[in-house]
Amino acid sequence: QVQLVQSGVEVKKPGSSVKVSCQSSGGSFSDYAFSWMRQAPGQGLEWMGRIIPMADMTKYDQRFQDRVTISADTSRKTAYIEVASLRAEDTAVYYCARVGCSGGHCFFEFWGQGTLVIVSS
Amino acid sequence: DIQMTQSPSSLSASIGDRVTITCRASQTISNYLNWYQQKPGQAPKLLIYAASTLQSGVPSRFSGSGSGTDFTLTITSLQPEDFATYYCQQSYRFPNTFGQGTNLEI
Repeated sequence: QVQLVQSGVEVKKPGSSVKVSCQSSGGSFSDYAFSWMRQAPGQGLEWMGRIIPMADMTKYDQRFQDRVTISADTSRKTAYIEVASLRAEDTAVYYCARVGCSGGHCFFEFWGQGTLVIVSS
Repeated sequence: DIQMTQSPSSLSASIGDRVTITCRASQTISNYLNWYQQKPGQAPKLLIYAASTLQSGVPSRFSGSGSGTDFTLTITSLQPEDFATYYCQQSYRFPNTFGQGTNLEI
């Protein structure tokens, strides 16, 4: 059974950076893409970007491209998202998800439990 | 970016009811449309992909339809565990975008 386990709660000051991890178990890591989403308190889901670890290929939403870096360590079966220059509006639960595909259609099949990032002075 | 608009934003229903949630894309996305269910404090869960294919393990009272720009999620015979927020998401083009969510409450 595939499980994605994310790192714990982070409290950060405005202007600092945060790096959240997502460790995969129970299945292949390199063969799949991993996406990152976030959800501000009481709000909907925003897709931020994704990585294909095997090819080290990334794709970002343009809104986050300047401040977000997604990476992966295949030896640790772990994906990461780093958000720089944090501001209060970045306070959210950050989710990783493994992308599944079938018949050319892709979807977020397995999700991590979420990591709460609080940005506050 | 492709905008996804769900309606209604919230919906009240009773156990045993049949409910329908709609999702409209700002441009055609063929059938590259997925549906997720999210309960408070939990990560979203995939229900349906490719507009109408039920994910393994999801009860058959959930169904999806549509193509192009207009899509629906239907839940027949609502069960207590179905009260949650539902999101559509397009996988036609990056950035993948979600609808704003529909809160289904008792």
